Amino acid sequence: GDSVTQTEGPVTVSESESLIINCTYSATSIAYPNLFWYVRYPGEGLQLLLKVITAGQKGSSRGFEATYNKETTSFHLQKASVQESDSAVYYCALGDQGSNAKLTFGKGTKLSVKS
Amino acid sequence: DPKIIQKPKYLVAVTGSEKILICEQYLGHNAMYWYRQSAKKPLEFMFSYSYQKLMDNQTASSRFQPQSSKKNHLDLQITALKPDDSATYFCASSRHIANSDYTFGSGTRLLVI
Repeated sequence: GDSVTQTEGPVTVSESESLIINCTYSATSIAYPNLFWYVRYPGEGLQLLLKVITAGQKGSSRGFEATYNKETTSFHLQKASVQESDSAVYYCALGDQGSNAKLTFGKGTKLSVKS
Repeated sequence: DPKIIQKPKYLVAVTGSEKILICEQYLGHNAMYWYRQSAKKPLEFMFSYSYQKLMDNQTASSRFQPQSSKKNHLDLQITALKPDDSATYFCASSRHIANSDYTFGSGTRLLVI
């Protein structure tokens, strides 16, 4: 079946340092997967951070970037300089473009940014 | 104001009992979903509904029954609760069933003792 593997947390980074959270996927039942990063801040629901539906394209939001790499089946999340407010749990997910909007998620990576 | 309301936030239940998790969305979305996240596991898809009709069910157990009394409601009834049902249950919605840009609720954390 489909699966997503991402960096095991927790991850602790100092403010203004760079960040990378790895995400690799296996899409056995989806011909053209869509890839997502969701973020969950403390006490809130998951929010869509960025989405890329075409291989080779890059998505970006709030200083975060992720490139859809079909060759390496990866969708790593990067940020050049993190802030304390970026502390949250980050989820990588893959979905289908078709009639079924079901998402397959990774386990989530808890990020703590130290000031 | 939260666009998807889940109630309660926390719930402790006794093994064998029955509980209902509430979900209401105020986004005008036509598709609603339930996901579950157990400890150390990914979020797992449970159900999807479109215009109050069940579209997909990935939950093996019939103890889990979604209930959609109104277009913007999708509650989850769980019967004969087991400790393995302990998890955080997330409700989500999207504009329509083919749109995977979800909005999630903040979850109901269920502990079965």
